[in-house]
Amino acid sequence: DQQVKQNSPSLSVQEGRISILNCDYTNSMFDYFLWYKKYPAEGPTFLISISSIKDKNEDGRFTVFLNKSAKHLSLHIVPSQPGDSAVYFCLPRSINNDMRFGAGTRLTVKP
Amino acid sequence: GAGVSQSPRYKVAKRGQDVALRCDPISGHVSLFWYQQALGQGPEFLTYFQNEAQLDKSGLPSDRFFAERPEGSVSTLKIQRTQQEDSAVYLCASTPHYNSPLHFGNGTRLTVT
Repeated sequence: DQQVKQNSPSLSVQEGRISILNCDYTNSMFDYFLWYKKYPAEGPTFLISISSIKDKNEDGRFTVFLNKSAKHLSLHIVPSQPGDSAVYFCLPRSINNDMRFGAGTRLTVKP
Repeated sequence: GAGVSQSPRYKVAKRGQDVALRCDPISGHVSLFWYQQALGQGPEFLTYFQNEAQLDKSGLPSDRFFAERPEGSVSTLKIQRTQQEDSAVYLCASTPHYNSPLHFGNGTRLTVT
């Protein structure tokens, strides 16, 4: 039972353009949503989060949008930079600390 | 160091051997998680501790997997009689409290030959 889906395994964008990464979930008990970025041979690093009481959270070039009715969240990166090339995971969290990763989206930003 | 530390960084085991993977969380972090990441996939939840109490072990794939955190700090993930399908990166993460992000270690890459 896949509770968290990142349906795009890869995404390629040009430097300076917007990157949009999507995540869908099924568990209505998720109330806190995190995005992580992972480089090869390293552990995931925290990027940005959003609580279910909000529909948008912005931090510099990164913005996360949450649509609770659609059980969908997205991460926008603008402008995209080559250093953003990595695998991005969404990680929803439920009130009983159930935390399930999506399969990840590999972002490649071309110079 | 200030981060989550995992050891060993790499482990090669022959099928049937027992292995023990160590996680040193950030000091003071109450919650500790173990994940298994197979090649090309997202990390899969294994187990979760709050202090020394193992509150959720529903992700452990078989009874060959065992995790402990006896003093509420360092945790060990033990895999008995390793099989080839156990080959993966094992990630440990800690967090000080709910609604705080997880801090991950760099993982232990286990290869079972």
